[in-house]
Amino acid sequence: AQSVTQPDARVTVSEGASLQLRCKYSYSATPYLFWYVQYPRQGLQLLLKYYSGDPVVQGVNSFEAEFSKSNSSFHLQKASVHWSDSAVYFCALSIPGGYKVVFGSGTRLLVSP
Amino acid sequence: GGIITQTPKFLIGQEGQKLTLKCQQNFNHDTMYWYRQDSGKGLRLIYYSITENDLQKGDLSEGYDASREKKSSFSLTVTSAQKNEMAVFLCASSNTGGAEQFFGPGTRLTVL
Repeated sequence: AQSVTQPDARVTVSEGASLQLRCKYSYSATPYLFWYVQYPRQGLQLLLKYYSGDPVVQGVNSFEAEFSKSNSSFHLQKASVHWSDSAVYFCALSIPGGYKVVFGSGTRLLVSP
Repeated sequence: GGIITQTPKFLIGQEGQKLTLKCQQNFNHDTMYWYRQDSGKGLRLIYYSITENDLQKGDLSEGYDASREKKSSFSLTVTSAQKNEMAVFLCASSNTGGAEQFFGPGTRLTVL
């Protein structure tokens, strides 16, 4: 069965610092991969998605992620974080042609001033 | 753009009560989903629907029923509310299976 692991439950970074949130997946072929963000008392919003092609994908608000087939990873990065980036970030996976989406457990990001 | 509306925003019920949550989308998406999110945790799939009148069980369907009578709406019923299922219920839709999902703001369920 497919799975998504986000090894860091909480990450704290200083405003202006760079950020990497880790995501590892388990699937025998290349899945569709997503990063979503959840602000307090809201639903999830898509940050970026990978279907195929260029392994580096750009998303909203200067986020980017890199797909690595050899490492089964899809880490999220940002060069300089802002306090408003504080939220919970979810990595997710789906199978091309399938319907179910598997979510990781989420990483809570706190940006300190 | 479109929007997903969930009603009610907050739902308070008694233990053993039957409760219904509603979701509407105007994206004209075929696929709709119901997830449960427990405090500080990830999302677990309860039901999904590929098209109107279709229902598929997710990993957490026991204790829930769902209904998709129209393409734009997807309802979830808690058949007998329990105190250990206090959570936020999120509705989502997508254009095709496995594609990016669009989420509603959630319904927060409290069971007394």
